[in-house]
Amino acid sequence: GAGVSQSPRYKVAKRGQDVALRCDPISGHVSLFWYQQALGQGPEFLTYFQNEAQLDKSGLPSDRFFAERPEGSVSTLKIQRTQQEDSAVYLCASSLGTGNSNQPQHFGDGTRLSIL
Amino acid sequence: LAKTTQPISMDSYEGQEVNITCSHNNIATNDYITWYQQFPSQGPRFIIQGYKTKVTNEVASLFIPADRKSSTLSLPRVSLSDTAVYYCLVGDPIVRSRYGGSQGNLIFGKGTKLSVKP
Repeated sequence: GAGVSQSPRYKVAKRGQDVALRCDPISGHVSLFWYQQALGQGPEFLTYFQNEAQLDKSGLPSDRFFAERPEGSVSTLKIQRTQQEDSAVYLCASSLGTGNSNQPQHFGDGTRLSIL
Repeated sequence: LAKTTQPISMDSYEGQEVNITCSHNNIATNDYITWYQQFPSQGPRFIIQGYKTKVTNEVASLFIPADRKSSTLSLPRVSLSDTAVYYCLVGDPIVRSRYGGSQGNLIFGKGTKLSVKP
């Protein structure tokens, strides 16, 4: 398909384990965003990439969260030493624009992470 | 960052027109207004975007008064499948920082949960 693809769709991990969430953005989209969505809440910004450059990581809740996009396409969000409060849906979005842009964001369906 | 206020929930019946109003009193000159729709277990989906006056597409209309301090999303003749959460967002998803870089800049809020009944 031509949309944003995220994997896995569901991930269950034990507290303390490391997890890696993958995002395949729409081909050619320069901007990539990660969001965290708690149950009943709107998505909250985590981090933003322009190509391979991580230009904003102000939303990452702790240094246990790490994101990369080494070749400017696929991105991985890694959470180390997971805690129960990390349980949420993690959404990835991409957009065509860069800089001051009003291109809409295209979202994947997210990865639902449950920490036991 | 421009903050938005919208109703937490709304109820409607099939076939009715639904209007969801969003307040954004401190909208900046360069800010656009964007609405997203989200179904359970799915990511948000772009519905419509506007800057001023009225915008219409195949799904909805967006009405923006001259002062731009509010906007209204209008869904004509809703069906059961329009039951979802609707988010009003104001701003530019990517803004230039004073140091020349760019940063993410989109705040979703809690949205409006629309329930359409038969």
